[in-house]
Amino acid sequence: DIQMTQSPSSLSASVGDSVTITCRASQGIRNDLAWFQQKPGKAPKRLIYAASSLQSGVPSRFSGSGSGTEYTLTISSLQPEDFATYYCLQHNSYPLTFGQGTKVEIK
Amino acid sequence: QVQLVQSGAEVKKPGASVKVSCKASGYTFSSFYIHWVRQAPGQGLEWMGLFNPSGGTTSYAQKFQGRVTMTRDTFTSTVYMELSSLKSEDSAVYYCARMGIVVPAATFFDFWGQGTLVTVSS
Repeated sequence: DIQMTQSPSSLSASVGDSVTITCRASQGIRNDLAWFQQKPGKAPKRLIYAASSLQSGVPSRFSGSGSGTEYTLTISSLQPEDFATYYCLQHNSYPLTFGQGTKVEIK
Repeated sequence: QVQLVQSGAEVKKPGASVKVSCKASGYTFSSFYIHWVRQAPGQGLEWMGLFNPSGGTTSYAQKFQGRVTMTRDTFTSTVYMELSSLKSEDSAVYYCARMGIVVPAATFFDFWGQGTLVTVSS
């Protein structure tokens, strides 16, 4: 199984800050990675697919990058509605595996 | 518009089974896999398996092998996930999500169901 190590597990930031979340895969996953945002009581929402493609309707302050085993999600200017938990998910091989999640909180 | 609508919350006793439905609309049912993901209270997301509505084939996470069964009703475009021998640790919100069979990356988990809370308690 491919292990996804996501960091940090939580972070505190202010509105307007830039934040970066990282997912490291235990083996190469060839950009078969998506990023999701989840708010309490809601289903996850896809932000990024294929490592760097922005989901339609998602603000351009969200971006994804990476290759091989290391991938990042960057929020360039944090907005109040961005405070949530973020997950990566690899679909290069089964079983699909999620990162442990990163909770972004207001400083 | 694309929708995945799940059945309502369930309360079950340990040892019982639960069957959660995921009704698809707004797209060609047979062209997308349906995946199941669960989330225990305060915990992360866990992939359980997938169902191919086109051929009826399945792929289950090893953790759930022997306890999970995924089926479909083609006439109502509904996929079912049944989990048996329930334990308290199975208390979670269960989600369905779709993934395109032909172009998987672009449609990977682009739409999710609203979630179904399953509570296992004596």
